[in-house]
Amino acid sequence: GIQVEQSPPDLILQEGANSTLRCNFSDSVNNLQWFHQNPWGQLINLFYIPSGTKQNGRLSATTVATERYSLLYISSSQTTDSGVYFCAVLTGANSKLTFGKGITLSVRP
Amino acid sequence: EAGVTQSPTHLIKTRGQQVTLRCSPISGHTSVYWYQQALGLGLQFLLWYDEGEERNRGNFPPRFSGRQFPNYSSELNVNALELEDSALYLCASSLLNSPLHFGNGTRLTVT
Repeated sequence: GIQVEQSPPDLILQEGANSTLRCNFSDSVNNLQWFHQNPWGQLINLFYIPSGTKQNGRLSATTVATERYSLLYISSSQTTDSGVYFCAVLTGANSKLTFGKGITLSVRP
Repeated sequence: EAGVTQSPTHLIKTRGQQVTLRCSPISGHTSVYWYQQALGLGLQFLLWYDEGEERNRGNFPPRFSGRQFPNYSSELNVNALELEDSALYLCASSLLNSPLHFGNGTRLTVT
């Protein structure tokens, strides 16, 4: 099946710093989503981005489908950005969303 | 618009018991997915239902089963509970080939 690799596995930032989170995938995808899991376990949709670039406030994402990677940018980080960021991809074969292992982000005040 | 709702939020069971978790999708969504998130193991795909039929199943033993009802709500049943079944169980809904939206999960503890 498809492999999804996220890097770095852990990230510690000072409040106000910018960061880039990366997701590599091993095959063509029909769908790519970025999620933020907060400390209570809630998975929040950030972006649905099988290709191209999208922005939502301080967050933006870019997927280059031909090169099989996606990037999530967080600017002016805040302590509430802390949590785990997951990239998940869906291939056409069986419509199963496959998750990466996640990136644990800690933003310190 | 109401999101995906799951019940109960927390559950404590004893080894060998059976449990049923419930999920109500977003109105209009026909697909329901179940994922298990055990400590340190990431999100593992369990089951996918669409239009009342099981469409795909993850690498879990047969004691994990479920169903989808005509109103598209879904149940996940786990029989003969084992300690390693302790996890956060997440349900998601979507239209086919559209973004998945997750509920807040059911946290199951098996003692």
